[in-house]
Amino acid sequence: AQKITQTQPGMFVQEKEAVTLDCTYDTSDPSYGLFWYKQPSSGEMIFLIYQGSYDQQNATEGRYSLNFQKARKSANLVISASQLGDSAMYFCAMSYTGTASKLTFGTGTRLQVTL
Amino acid sequence: GAVVSQHPSWVICKSGTSVKIECRSLDFQATTMFWYRQFPKQSLMLMATSNEGSKATYEQGVEKDKFLINHASLTLSTLTVTSAHPEDSSFYICSARDMGTSNSPLHFGNGTRLTVT
Repeated sequence: AQKITQTQPGMFVQEKEAVTLDCTYDTSDPSYGLFWYKQPSSGEMIFLIYQGSYDQQNATEGRYSLNFQKARKSANLVISASQLGDSAMYFCAMSYTGTASKLTFGTGTRLQVTL
Repeated sequence: GAVVSQHPSWVICKSGTSVKIECRSLDFQATTMFWYRQFPKQSLMLMATSNEGSKATYEQGVEKDKFLINHASLTLSTLTVTSAHPEDSSFYICSARDMGTSNSPLHFGNGTRLTVT
């Protein structure tokens, strides 16, 4: 069975600083995908970044990058140059590659960006 | 990019009534859609996998007779909460993936906040 763990219930970061949100996972399947989603207070789930288990390089999307350490089974999200609009809940999720994206979510981290 | 539309955004209903929530993929076809439930300040829990043209697959502990799922076309899945009770009050959110695009992420609707009084 898959399991996603996010150990930080809440994080604070000052505007323009970088922040790392932790995510560890557990699976026995060699083929899987890792995702990060942002959920603002409005409730929508916004896709941020994806990392495949066989990807050699860490994924990057604008200010978002994923620090993928396969041996440690971690997939931390790094947000650079934080903005006030980054304040939201952030969820790490995992899927088995090829299963049409049935996702297992972590418990989330609430990020608050301060002035 | 791919868009998933969910309707209604919020609904208040009386205990004992049924509520239907629609999930549409607007610019792509989705043979599979997923329905999640989220309680306040908690994570998303998968309820069921909706399959076009066949029966939905429910996760363990989810009552299939209470949460009826119909995937009538490649762009529409509906979730009906039957005989709703206050404990069914929650945030329901659907998702779908554009099967025509490799490595496309799962796209989510904006969710439906259900309040049962």
